[in-house]
Amino acid sequence: DTEVTQTPKHLVMGMTNKKSLKCEQHMGHRAMYWYKQKAKKPPELMFVYSYEKLSINESVPSRFSPECPNSSLLNLHLHALQPEDSALYLCASRSPGAGGELFFGEGSRLTVL
Amino acid sequence: AQSVSQHNHHVILSEAASLELGCNYSYGGTVNLFWYVQYPGQHLQLLLKYFSGDPLVKGIKGFEAEFIKSKFSFNLRKPSVQWSDTAEYFCAVIPTLYSGYSTLTFGKGTMLLVSP
Repeated sequence: DTEVTQTPKHLVMGMTNKKSLKCEQHMGHRAMYWYKQKAKKPPELMFVYSYEKLSINESVPSRFSPECPNSSLLNLHLHALQPEDSALYLCASRSPGAGGELFFGEGSRLTVL
Repeated sequence: AQSVSQHNHHVILSEAASLELGCNYSYGGTVNLFWYVQYPGQHLQLLLKYFSGDPLVKGIKGFEAEFIKSKFSFNLRKPSVQWSDTAEYFCAVIPTLYSGYSTLTFGKGTMLLVSP
Protein backbone atom coordinates (compact mmCIF):
# COMPACT_ATOMS: atom_id res chain seq x y z
CA ASP A 1 0.00 0.00 0.00
CA THR A 2 1.73 3.16 -1.20
CA GLU A 3 -1.18 5.51 -0.85
CA VAL A 4 -1.82 8.67 1.03
CA THR A 5 -5.56 9.21 1.29
CA GLN A 6 -7.05 12.65 1.79
CA THR A 7 -10.65 13.47 2.62
CA PRO A 8 -12.71 15.28 1.62
CA LYS A 9 -11.62 15.84 -1.99
CA HIS A 10 -13.64 19.06 -2.15
CA LEU A 11 -14.80 21.33 0.65
CA VAL A 12 -16.77 24.56 0.53
CA MET A 13 -17.07 26.49 3.77
CA GLY A 14 -18.11 29.88 5.03
CA MET A 15 -15.81 32.17 6.95
CA THR A 16 -17.49 31.30 10.27
CA ASN A 17 -17.45 27.53 9.80
CA LYS A 18 -15.23 24.99 11.50
CA LYS A 19 -14.14 22.08 9.36
CA SER A 20 -11.29 19.57 9.19
CA LEU A 21 -9.18 17.97 6.49
CA LYS A 22 -8.02 14.43 7.07
CA CYS A 23 -4.99 12.54 5.81
CA GLU A 24 -4.18 8.87 6.31
CA GLN A 25 -1.26 6.62 5.37
CA HIS A 26 -0.47 3.03 6.24
CA MET A 27 3.10 2.84 4.97
CA GLY A 28 4.64 3.15 8.42
CA HIS A 29 6.01 6.59 7.58
CA ARG A 30 6.89 8.71 10.60
CA ALA A 31 7.04 12.11 8.93
CA MET A 32 3.91 13.81 7.62
CA TYR A 33 3.49 17.13 5.89
CA TRP A 34 0.84 19.68 5.00
CA TYR A 35 1.41 21.81 1.91
CA LYS A 36 -0.80 24.54 0.46
CA GLN A 37 -0.96 25.12 -3.28
CA LYS A 38 -2.54 28.08 -5.02
CA ALA A 39 -3.35 27.93 -8.72
CA LYS A 40 -0.31 27.96 -11.01
CA LYS A 41 2.06 28.11 -8.00
CA PRO A 42 4.29 25.49 -6.39
CA PRO A 43 3.20 23.80 -3.17
CA GLU A 44 4.22 25.75 -0.08
CA LEU A 45 5.09 23.99 3.14
CA MET A 46 2.80 24.63 6.10
CA PHE A 47 3.59 22.02 8.78
CA VAL A 48 5.80 19.01 9.37
CA TYR A 49 5.22 16.30 11.95
CA SER A 50 8.04 13.95 12.81
CA TYR A 51 7.27 10.99 15.08
CA GLU A 52 3.91 12.60 15.89
CA LYS A 53 5.50 15.81 17.11
CA LEU A 54 5.23 19.13 15.32
CA SER A 55 8.72 19.93 14.06
CA ILE A 56 8.03 22.75 11.60
CA ASN A 57 5.37 25.45 11.51
CA GLU A 58 6.07 27.82 8.64
CA SER A 59 4.48 30.79 10.41
CA VAL A 60 1.02 29.60 9.46
CA PRO A 61 -1.90 31.66 10.86
CA SER A 62 -3.59 30.14 13.89
CA ARG A 63 -6.84 29.68 11.98
CA PHE A 64 -5.09 26.56 10.67
CA SER A 65 -4.51 24.03 13.44
CA PRO A 66 -2.71 20.76 12.69
CA GLU A 67 -3.08 17.59 14.69
CA CYS A 68 -1.34 14.23 14.51
CA PRO A 69 -3.35 11.81 16.68
CA ASN A 70 -1.19 8.82 15.72
CA SER A 71 1.49 7.82 13.25
CA SER A 72 -1.04 7.10 10.48
CA LEU A 73 -3.28 10.14 10.74
CA LEU A 74 -2.85 13.83 10.15
CA ASN A 75 -5.61 16.38 10.48
CA LEU A 76 -5.84 20.04 9.60
CA HIS A 77 -8.51 21.89 11.55
CA LEU A 78 -9.90 25.00 9.89
CA HIS A 79 -11.66 27.86 11.65
CA ALA A 80 -12.55 31.41 10.66
CA LEU A 81 -10.83 31.14 7.30
CA GLN A 82 -10.61 33.89 4.74
CA PRO A 83 -11.44 33.68 1.01
CA GLU A 84 -7.73 33.93 0.23
CA ASP A 85 -7.24 30.60 2.03
CA SER A 86 -9.00 28.90 -0.87
CA ALA A 87 -6.43 26.49 -2.31
CA LEU A 88 -5.48 22.86 -2.80
CA TYR A 89 -4.21 21.38 0.47
CA LEU A 90 -1.78 18.53 0.01
CA CYS A 91 -0.74 15.96 2.55
CA ALA A 92 2.43 13.93 2.19
CA SER A 93 4.35 11.33 4.16
CA ARG A 94 7.95 10.17 4.18
CA SER A 95 9.93 7.29 5.58
CA PRO A 96 12.80 8.27 7.89
CA GLY A 97 15.06 5.95 5.93
CA ALA A 98 17.41 7.34 3.33
CA GLY A 99 15.64 8.05 0.10
CA GLY A 100 13.66 11.09 0.89
CA GLU A 101 10.70 10.57 -1.36
CA LEU A 102 7.50 12.20 -0.20
CA PHE A 103 4.32 10.38 -1.09
CA PHE A 104 1.57 12.88 -1.85
CA GLY A 105 -2.15 12.52 -1.55
CA GLU A 106 -4.41 13.89 -4.27
CA GLY A 107 -5.29 16.88 -2.16
CA SER A 108 -8.35 18.54 -0.71
CA ARG A 109 -9.61 21.47 -2.76
CA LEU A 110 -10.92 24.10 -0.35
CA THR A 111 -13.16 27.01 -1.28
CA VAL A 112 -13.90 29.64 1.35
CA LEU A 113 -16.92 31.82 0.64
CA ALA B 1 18.19 25.46 3.68
CA GLN B 2 18.03 24.36 0.10
CA SER B 3 16.66 26.34 -2.85
CA VAL B 4 15.57 25.41 -6.36
CA SER B 5 15.61 27.51 -9.49
CA GLN B 6 13.74 26.68 -12.68
CA HIS B 7 14.97 28.60 -15.66
CA ASN B 8 11.79 29.04 -17.67
CA HIS B 9 8.37 29.99 -16.36
CA HIS B 10 6.61 29.36 -19.67
CA VAL B 11 7.59 27.17 -22.60
CA ILE B 12 5.61 26.82 -25.81
CA LEU B 13 6.41 23.99 -28.23
CA SER B 14 4.86 22.33 -31.21
CA GLU B 15 4.11 18.63 -31.13
CA ALA B 16 7.14 16.43 -31.86
CA ALA B 17 9.58 19.12 -30.74
CA SER B 18 12.22 18.20 -28.19
CA LEU B 19 11.95 19.47 -24.64
CA GLU B 20 14.52 20.45 -22.07
CA LEU B 21 13.53 22.17 -18.83
CA GLY B 22 16.29 23.52 -16.65
CA CYS B 23 16.57 23.07 -12.89
CA ASN B 24 19.37 24.12 -10.57
CA TYR B 25 19.54 23.71 -6.84
CA SER B 26 21.56 25.10 -3.99
CA TYR B 27 22.45 23.06 -0.91
CA GLY B 28 25.61 22.25 1.01
CA GLY B 29 25.04 18.50 1.30
CA THR B 30 23.69 15.57 -0.67
CA VAL B 31 20.16 15.77 -1.97
CA ASN B 32 17.50 13.71 -3.63
CA LEU B 33 15.94 15.27 -6.71
CA PHE B 34 12.51 15.00 -8.25
CA TRP B 35 10.42 16.18 -11.14
CA TYR B 36 6.67 16.39 -10.67
CA VAL B 37 3.97 17.09 -13.24
CA GLN B 38 0.58 18.64 -12.63
CA TYR B 39 -1.99 18.51 -15.41
CA PRO B 40 -4.60 21.30 -15.42
CA GLY B 41 -6.90 20.94 -12.43
CA GLN B 42 -5.26 17.74 -11.26
CA HIS B 43 -2.98 16.57 -8.47
CA LEU B 44 0.79 16.25 -8.40
CA GLN B 45 2.28 13.21 -10.07
CA LEU B 46 5.87 12.04 -9.74
CA LEU B 47 7.61 11.92 -13.13
CA LEU B 48 11.01 10.69 -11.99
CA LYS B 49 13.49 10.81 -9.14
CA TYR B 50 17.21 10.64 -8.51
CA PHE B 51 18.67 9.23 -5.30
CA SER B 52 22.08 7.85 -6.30
CA GLY B 53 23.87 5.84 -8.98
CA ASP B 54 23.41 6.42 -12.71
CA PRO B 55 22.93 10.18 -13.12
CA LEU B 56 20.63 9.63 -16.09
CA VAL B 57 17.24 8.60 -14.81
CA LYS B 58 14.22 7.57 -16.81
CA GLY B 59 10.69 8.26 -15.72
CA ILE B 60 7.18 7.79 -16.90
CA LYS B 61 5.71 8.98 -20.20
CA GLY B 62 9.10 9.01 -21.95
CA PHE B 63 10.71 11.65 -19.72
CA GLU B 64 14.28 11.49 -18.51
CA ALA B 65 16.54 13.72 -16.45
CA GLU B 66 20.26 14.04 -15.95
CA PHE B 67 21.90 14.91 -12.65
CA ILE B 68 25.14 16.88 -13.13
CA LYS B 69 26.62 17.23 -9.67
CA SER B 70 29.28 19.74 -10.65
CA LYS B 71 26.61 22.06 -12.03
CA PHE B 72 24.02 21.40 -9.31
CA SER B 73 21.61 20.73 -12.15
CA PHE B 74 18.83 18.25 -12.83
CA ASN B 75 17.38 19.03 -16.24
CA LEU B 76 14.30 17.31 -17.59
CA ARG B 77 14.19 16.12 -21.19
CA LYS B 78 11.84 14.49 -23.64
CA PRO B 79 12.78 13.83 -27.27
CA SER B 80 9.34 14.42 -28.74
CA VAL B 81 6.51 16.12 -26.87
CA GLN B 82 2.83 15.49 -27.34
CA TRP B 83 -0.17 17.74 -26.89
CA SER B 84 -1.03 15.70 -23.77
CA ASP B 85 2.22 16.86 -22.15
CA THR B 86 0.69 20.30 -21.63
CA ALA B 87 1.05 20.78 -17.88
CA GLU B 88 2.96 22.49 -15.08
CA TYR B 89 6.33 20.91 -14.26
CA PHE B 90 7.98 21.28 -10.87
CA CYS B 91 11.53 20.43 -9.91
CA ALA B 92 12.02 19.62 -6.21
CA VAL B 93 14.85 18.77 -3.85
CA ILE B 94 15.15 17.33 -0.36
CA PRO B 95 18.25 16.65 1.75
CA THR B 96 19.16 12.98 1.65
CA LEU B 97 19.63 12.57 5.38
CA TYR B 98 16.38 12.46 7.26
CA SER B 99 15.62 14.84 10.05
CA GLY B 100 12.41 16.24 11.40
CA TYR B 101 13.46 19.52 9.86
CA SER B 102 14.20 18.37 6.32
CA THR B 103 11.58 19.39 3.80
CA LEU B 104 10.87 19.07 0.09
CA THR B 105 11.43 22.39 -1.63
CA PHE B 106 9.88 23.11 -5.01
CA GLY B 107 10.97 25.36 -7.81
CA LYS B 108 8.48 27.93 -9.06
CA GLY B 109 7.41 25.65 -11.89
CA THR B 110 7.43 25.73 -15.68
CA MET B 111 4.19 25.85 -17.60
CA LEU B 112 4.57 23.82 -20.80
CA LEU B 113 2.08 24.42 -23.59
CA VAL B 114 2.25 22.04 -26.53
CA SER B 115 0.36 23.11 -29.62
CA PRO B 116 -1.03 20.40 -31.90
